[in-house]
Amino acid sequence: DIQMTQSPSSLSASVGDRVTITCRASQNIVNYLNWYQQKPGKAPKLLIYAASSLHSGVPSRFSGSGSGTDFTLTISSLQPEDFATYFCQQSYSTPQDSFGQGTKLEIK
Amino acid sequence: QLQLQESGPGLVKPSETLSLTCTVSGGSISSSYYYWAWIRQPPGKGLEWIGSLYYSGNIHSNPSLKSRVTISVDTSEDQFSLKLSSVTAADTAVYYCARVTTYGSSWYSRYYFDSWGQGTLVTVSS
Repeated sequence: DIQMTQSPSSLSASVGDRVTITCRASQNIVNYLNWYQQKPGKAPKLLIYAASSLHSGVPSRFSGSGSGTDFTLTISSLQPEDFATYFCQQSYSTPQDSFGQGTKLEIK
Repeated sequence: QLQLQESGPGLVKPSETLSLTCTVSGGSISSSYYYWAWIRQPPGKGLEWIGSLYYSGNIHSNPSLKSRVTISVDTSEDQFSLKLSSVTAADTAVYYCARVTTYGSSWYSRYYFDSWGQGTLVTVSS
């Protein structure tokens, strides 16, 4: 199975900050990488698919990049509603163990 | 607008079978463009894929759960269901159903979960 490792596990930032979250795959997954946002008590929401394609309705302050084994999710200017947990997920192979462990973004 | 809604008991006794149904509205489960999935999340933990299905009955399950998982579809009701047998406390989780959009040539390559139900907490306890 492909292992997905996110860093950091948690992050404190302020409104207006630029934030980057990293996801590393244990093998080459080309650009088959998705990002989700999850707020407490809510279902995850798709933000980005295929490493850099913004899902419909997602604000443009979210962007994704990377290929191969290293990927990043960037929020260009944090808004109050962006404080949440973010998960990466590989879609190169079957979905078992496809999600990263999550990065919790908290208010500083 | 597509909506998914999980339903089923919130409390299941150890060794019994967990049964959940996902009702799809605002779209058809029989669409050729999508798969449908069950995903769970233990309290305070990460996301675990349980299984995916296609409306025609093509079903795939997580090997770690496969012997206990039964997934089925009822296209006439736009519903799909999950049964997980012999549950233990480790199966306590929020269970989500989700739509899977694929942009590759197979169900297991190039896909994303683009619409989710609100989730339902299932607690395994006597």
